[in-house]
Amino acid sequence: EVQLQESGPGLVKPSQSLSLTCSVTGYSITSNYWGWIRKFPGNKMEWMGYISYSGSTSYNPSLKSRISITRDTSKNQFFLQLNSVTTEDTATYYCARSANSDWFAYWGQGTLVTVSS
Amino acid sequence: DTVLTQSPALAVSPGERVSISCRASEGVNSYMHWYQQKPGQQPKLLIYKASNLASGVPARFSGSGSGTDFTLTIDPVEADDTATYFCQQSWNDPYTFGAGTKLELK
Repeated sequence: EVQLQESGPGLVKPSQSLSLTCSVTGYSITSNYWGWIRKFPGNKMEWMGYISYSGSTSYNPSLKSRISITRDTSKNQFFLQLNSVTTEDTATYYCARSANSDWFAYWGQGTLVTVSS
Repeated sequence: DTVLTQSPALAVSPGERVSISCRASEGVNSYMHWYQQKPGQQPKLLIYKASNLASGVPARFSGSGSGTDFTLTIDPVEADDTATYFCQQSWNDPYTFGAGTKLELK
């Protein structure tokens, strides 16, 4: 059974970079699509982007200048980097798997990241 | 971006039928998907491409619609269905989510 687990700092200072890791077990990240979605306080959810089985990426245009999704296939992990964060980036960050990039059938538990000085 | 509009909250009694709506600001073909999220848990996929039941999801859940108007139906509602339900579209870039409908049981 596929399992996803997010990890990374729970607190990031404004203007710094947010870096998260999604560790995947039970399925190879060289298949399917692997995305990041965040949920803000107050419930709004935002699709941030994904990395495909081939390593190609797609990003939400609202984040395009600040976001990078990469992977390490040897460790079966993929990563989120979000630069120049502000308090508005405070959210619960989820990694998720999609068979076709459209809908997400498997999700991690989520990790809360707070941006604060 | 495509805005998805959902009613904020609904309250129903166990055993009843409930319909949760999601209206898109522009057409999304059939590329509308539904998730259930309970407090402290990750979202769970219920319905993909408007009307397809995800693996392991009870047949009490169903979806319908195309274009701009979509509905998630639960019939009959059970106590365990207390949760927030989100719609998500993947036809237009970027993918977007609705604000969620909180379902409470009377």
